[in-house]
Parts: sequence; structure tokens; C-alpha cells
Amino acid sequence: AQKVTQTQTSISVVEKTTVTMDCVYETRDSSYFLFWYKQTASGEIVFLIRQDSYKKENATVGHYSLNFQKPKSSIGLIITATQIEDSAVYFCAMREARNNNNAPRFGAGTKLSVKP
Amino acid sequence: AQTIHQWPVAEIKAVGSPLSLGCTIKGKSSPNLYWYWQATGGTLQQLFYSITVGQVESVVQLNLSASRPKDDQFILSTEKLLLSHSGFYLCAWSKDWGNTGQLYFGEGSKLTVL
Repeated sequence: AQKVTQTQTSISVVEKTTVTMDCVYETRDSSYFLFWYKQTASGEIVFLIRQDSYKKENATVGHYSLNFQKPKSSIGLIITATQIEDSAVYFCAMREARNNNNAPRFGAGTKLSVKP
Repeated sequence: AQTIHQWPVAEIKAVGSPLSLGCTIKGKSSPNLYWYWQATGGTLQQLFYSITVGQVESVVQLNLSASRPKDDQFILSTEKLLLSHSGFYLCAWSKDWGNTGQLYFGEGSKLTVL
């Protein structure tokens, strides 16, 4: 069965620095998709970035990038040059390609606080 | 562009009362639709999903039901609310083909059961 674990409950950083959020996953499937989502204080959930398991290159979108370590079943999210508005809860999620219901499973979330 | 809208934004209801939450997708035909529940400070728990009109699959029961009366509409309901139903309900959609499972969420509906 698939499982997604985020062990960091909360992280606090100073603005303009780089932060890394950890996520490890368990799956028996050889093909899967990994996601990071951001939930703002209003509750809105926004898709940030995706990594397909068959791709060796780490995905990058804007100031978000991933550190995909397949042998360790790890998908870290890196945010460079953090801004106050990056303060939010970040969820890691995974969907196995053969998952019939097509929906990803989410981790517990990591709360990021960016301070001036 | 696709848009997804949930209603109501928030509800305060009494234990034992009925509930209906709705979700409408515009600009996307035949989407896969999902209901998620989130306890305060918690993770997202998938409740239901639907790949076509009239067809809904349950993932976790929680004494709730869901229906898809139209291609662009997904409804979550119960006849009798429990205290444990309190939380944040999110509707989401994904593509019906080439589906990686990437989700697009609505604004959510906050439910408080007293």
C-alpha cells in the first residue's frame, strides 16, 4: 500500500534564504507521480510542482525545485529566495500509476513560516 | 480556462441535521472529480471520486454520501451530521486522460457541527 511521510511538522526561516522540506514515500509500483501542494491560510490549495518517477531530471518551476532520490524513495521540495508569502502548509503527495481511483495520497504537511 | 467553485463557503450546523455541499467545474468536460476532508491542522483524506455522471466510488465512508448529477457537478451530503464531520471539505478535479493524478482544488467549504 502507498504511504507518504512528512516528518517535519514546522519550519521557520528568514526571508530570502533557502529551505528544504522532506518527504519519503512507500510504493510497490514501478511507475508513480509525486506532487507538492501549498495550502495558504485561507485554505486554498495550489499545485506547485510534479515529478514523474521515470524522469531522472529534477523538476523545477520558478523558485521551487525538487530533490528526487529514487533509491531512497525521497522527494524533497526546495524553495530558494523565500518570501513572506511562501508562509503556508506544504503537502507532499503520491499517486501510483496503476491506482484505479486516480487520486494521490497526501502526507501530513509541513508548516513553513518565513520571517523578515 | 477551467474554474472550480464550491458552495457554501462555510456552514454551522447542529448534530443530527442534514448537509449538502456542492462543487461545480466550468471549462472542462468529463473531468474526474474528488471529495477530500481535512480536519483542522490535518492531512487531506480522500472521501469519494467520480469518473463520469451517475458513477461515484467511496474511498472512506464517514457516514457521508456523494452524487454526480451532471458532468460538471459533484454533491456531498448526509442526512444526519455527527460532531466528527466538522472540518474542511475540498472538491478537486483532474484530467480524464493522460491522468497523472494532478489535482486542481476548489476554495473549500468549512463545516462546523455543534
